[in-house]
Amino acid sequence: DAGVIQSPRHEVTEMGQEVTLRCKPISGHDYLFWYRQTMMRGLELLIYFNNNVPIDDSGMPEDRFSAKMPNASFSTLKIQPSEPRDSAVYFCASSLWQGATGTGELFFGEGSRLTVL
Amino acid sequence: KQEVTQIPAALSVPEGENLVLNCSFTDSAIYNLQWFRQDPGKGLTSLLLIQSSQREQTSGRLNASLDKSSGRSTLYIAASQPGDSATYLCAVRRHSGAGSYQLTFGKGTKLSVIP
Repeated sequence: DAGVIQSPRHEVTEMGQEVTLRCKPISGHDYLFWYRQTMMRGLELLIYFNNNVPIDDSGMPEDRFSAKMPNASFSTLKIQPSEPRDSAVYFCASSLWQGATGTGELFFGEGSRLTVL
Repeated sequence: KQEVTQIPAALSVPEGENLVLNCSFTDSAIYNLQWFRQDPGKGLTSLLLIQSSQREQTSGRLNASLDKSSGRSTLYIAASQPGDSATYLCAVRRHSGAGSYQLTFGKGTKLSVIP
């Protein structure tokens, strides 16, 4: 299996621009998570999906952030407009749970490093 | 609210030494606990997953234990090598209803193994 695939790996943009991060979870996994990591705050859960349905978006910092999962193999995290304080590494992760038939082990992608100037 | 603590925040040991990393959590009603490794500029790599019904898991030189009643887990690394240098994070999962999936991470222990 190719693992969780994220793109782009690096993104440098200017304040006010729209940023779209992409994620392909491991095939067959039923949970998908978006995390943000910074030195100051560590790992923060932004939002997660179960079977393509958003379950908890309480970690999304503000309305500038939005996430979608149109199908089981693709998700996007969008920031519009971007601000310098959004600079961080954004991770996507997936897990197979299926009502406890899976192990629930969490697998992470390599992350998308975002720099907003 | 679940809180996960990892102490120490950083640890430096000479090569070849056996070492223990600690993870404590406040709510013992967990489904599982997972240990990760993160190298600089990289994602998190899953090392070991312990289900709540298990007491330990082993993979090569790594052994993770779980004591739910005391809210503690340890990651034992035998015969440490410079390649083990990384940040180690633990995460505790609590299930709280249909579809929900509460996972809480510790802030990690940064391990340096000195040749």
